[in-house]
Amino acid sequence: QKEVEQNSGPLSVPEGAIASLNCTYSDRGSQSFFWYRQYSGKSPELIMFIYSNGDKEDGRFTAQLNKASQYVSLLIRDSQPSDSATYLCAVNIGGGNQGGKLIFGQGTELSVKP
Amino acid sequence: DTGVSQDPRHKITKRGQNVTFRCDPISEHNRLYWYRQTLGQGPEFLTYFQNEAQLEKSRLLSDRFSAERPKGSFSTLEIQRTEQGDSAMYLCASSLSGGNTGELFFGEGSRLTVL
Repeated sequence: QKEVEQNSGPLSVPEGAIASLNCTYSDRGSQSFFWYRQYSGKSPELIMFIYSNGDKEDGRFTAQLNKASQYVSLLIRDSQPSDSATYLCAVNIGGGNQGGKLIFGQGTELSVKP
Repeated sequence: DTGVSQDPRHKITKRGQNVTFRCDPISEHNRLYWYRQTLGQGPEFLTYFQNEAQLEKSRLLSDRFSAERPKGSFSTLEIQRTEQGDSAMYLCASSLSGGNTGELFFGEGSRLTVL
């Protein structure tokens, strides 16, 4: 079992729709979770982080965390063509909120059609 | 804050040659990470440093790979006797331990092509 798993996609949604991206992780001790966006040919950039169970909203983005189910998700509301990218789920392994390393999933490719 | 810089951005080499990549982290960041990424995959953890100490090295990492961070500032990643399977993007990232997010800031990467 991989430490962090995502559906590779591609996920295609029409402009204005909600895109839902999912991620599961294997280490129950993990305490911090991240969503990175990576445009083709570019390096990953942080979109959101979440530590506590429940929802965290930032503009059009909502991260959801369920530690009991070891599940993290990212919702993108009012999707725009500029949101088309690969979304990487990352989990901090081995150090809680202040240490350890980030382990990445394989990424989900999102395509938003005009 | 000039961000994380990596050099060279692209390297083409022949199988069996040695290559070295350099990473300059964000100046106040004490942690530095190396990842490798191939097409269609997420970044794969290689190793990381806190200051000059190498805290962890991936078990998947061959002995041909070595990384250093001699003065706790810039880091080098050397690959000896390169193989075609080493072709990938090598990403460096830095962070501040004890920071409130654990966020990693990535450089633009060094792309290696082994012929």
